[in-house]
Amino acid sequence: AQKVTQAQTEISVVEKEDVTLDCVYETRDTTYYLFWYKQPPSGELVFLIRRNSFDEQNEISGRYSWNFQKSTSSFNFTITASQVVDSAVYFCALGRGSSASKIIFGSGTRLSIRP
Amino acid sequence: DGGITQSPKYLFRKEGQNVTLSCEQNLNHDAMYWYRQDPGQGLRLIYYSQIVNDFQKGDIAEGYSVSREKKESFPLTVTSAQKNPTAFYLCASRRGYEQYFGPGTRLTVT
Repeated sequence: AQKVTQAQTEISVVEKEDVTLDCVYETRDTTYYLFWYKQPPSGELVFLIRRNSFDEQNEISGRYSWNFQKSTSSFNFTITASQVVDSAVYFCALGRGSSASKIIFGSGTRLSIRP
Repeated sequence: DGGITQSPKYLFRKEGQNVTLSCEQNLNHDAMYWYRQDPGQGLRLIYYSQIVNDFQKGDIAEGYSVSREKKESFPLTVTSAQKNPTAFYLCASRRGYEQYFGPGTRLTVT
């Protein structure tokens, strides 16, 4: 079965705190793709990152970082020094098929950053 | 500007009426997708099309229909057979591994 679990429904932190969004996935595929998307209040999903199953190297982009661990089937997302503009719903997703032609989304984590 | 447009942003219909949601892209992407989002849930795949004149059912296709006559356009019809059509509908197109999303249409059926 293919499944993505985001156990944290809602998280609220004060601005400048670090926050980690958890993502656990299930798949029997040997080749797969993992994604994070951001959905601000406007509704449009914004692509943040993609990792391939054969590349466990962690990635940092400014205040954002991602930790991919195949041993625990997790792909966690950390925001360092959070800002109010980071407030959004964040989705983790699992892609399968050639070119990740189909994506399965987690239920999302609503992140609120309080000033 | 290149992108995906969905219109209208908000749509209201009476129960029993069919309604068609528009999705247009000028990104020259071959693949396009329709998702449904309900409150507190992730996106669920309704239909997708990898190429013109071809499309496949997703996980929740019942009560929906699509067409793909042009590369740029992938309209979704919500039929009266859809039991609970009120939702937020998102269209996407894919280049390589990444999907790019439109702004969505919020459909309310009363």
